[in-house]
Order: sequence, then C-alpha cells, then structure tokens
Amino acid sequence: GAGVSQSPSNKVTEKGKDVELRCDPISGHTALYWYRQSLGQGLEFLIYFQGNSAPDKSGLPSDRFSAERTGGSVSTLTIQRTQQEDSAVYLCASSFSQGGYEQYFGPGTRLTVT
Amino acid sequence: AQSVTQLGSHVSVSEGALVLLRCNYSSSVPPYLFWYVQYPNQGLQLLLKYTTGATLVKGINGFEAEFKKSETSFHLTKPSAHMSDAAEYFCAVSELTGGGNKLTFGTGTQLKVEL
Repeated sequence: GAGVSQSPSNKVTEKGKDVELRCDPISGHTALYWYRQSLGQGLEFLIYFQGNSAPDKSGLPSDRFSAERTGGSVSTLTIQRTQQEDSAVYLCASSFSQGGYEQYFGPGTRLTVT
Repeated sequence: AQSVTQLGSHVSVSEGALVLLRCNYSSSVPPYLFWYVQYPNQGLQLLLKYTTGATLVKGINGFEAEFKKSETSFHLTKPSAHMSDAAEYFCAVSELTGGGNKLTFGTGTQLKVEL
C-alpha cells in the first residue's frame, strides 16, 4: 500500500514569504506527527495530531509555525514570514495509534530560505 | 524529560565485521525504544523497536538490539556488515503520554562500511 507522502519534495523561498508543507498519512492512521531535521538541531518533534486535534504543540518553535489536519487525514504545516533558520527538512510521520506503534515516515520536504 | 545519547557520530567498519552502534537513554517511565535508519535524501525507516517483553529484539536486515534496563542502554548490532548498511542510524525513545507517542531522537551515527 501507499506510504506517507509529502509535498513538495523541495521548496526554495525568499526570507519573509509564507510556505505550506503538505503531508498525506497512511490511510487509517489516526496519529500524525511533524518533525524537523536540521544540521544544528538534529531531529526535533514539532507537533502531534490525534484525529483532527493537536494535543501536543510543544515543539513548534515560534508563533510563525502552525499546523492543521482535516478529515483525520491530510495535514498542512504553515510557516509564516520565513527566516533563514527555518531551513531544514520537515518530516511527517503517521501511526495507527498513540501506543507503542511504530511511526512511518515520509520522505520529507527540504525547505531552503534564501 | 527523556533524552537519548548516541556515542560516536561516525563509525567505520570493514565489510563482514561486527557493527555496534551505541545508544543510552534516560526516561522517567518505562520507555519505548526504536532504531531508525536513514539513507541519503530519504525519510526514516524503522529497523526495530522495543516496547515490552523480550529484551533482545530482532529487526530487519539482520540487525538486533538488546534493552538493558540496568545500563539504560539499547545498543544496535549486526554480526556482519554489508556495503548496503552504510547510512545514518538514529536511536529514539518515546513515552506514552496524553500527548501521544512523540519520539526523542539521538544525534545519529553515520555508519561507513569499507571494503
């Protein structure tokens, strides 16, 4: 079956612009996670969705970052007024549920802010 | 708060040699432990996981790991390295909380396999 997909695979944007990153989880997976991978910070948790709700947003680095999930499926991560330090690979993962089940990762979106 | 320490950001082995990648964790509750592998320009692929039960866990591609509570370790091993094992490996810990099963990752170990 289809895995987690993310789009775009690469995004280059100018500083100050807004960007939207999309994640399509595996069908039937109720839990969805966003992570960020950067040279300086490694792999960091950003936000967790259970269904359409986000019980844990503790990893969002600033109020420029937001995310939503609709229909218990697709999620969009939005970064407003992008800064150079936002340059990173943004990874999405999904799992059946919150307990112990492995998370399946998408290929990521590489964001470059110039 | 949970954390993961991976000793050695780069490990080099000869093809056919033992692979040992070290991972130590801290967690205030019984942890779930994972090893993921990342090939260049790809996402993370699960190698193996420990949740409960048997402490020696076998994964894909001949890898295994042993959960040692007394040592707070979860080292990854493979008896004989293959060229295709060259990749970056991440150890991760999670705690099941009301906030889901978010992963805390180590800083990763780049494995190089030489002829």
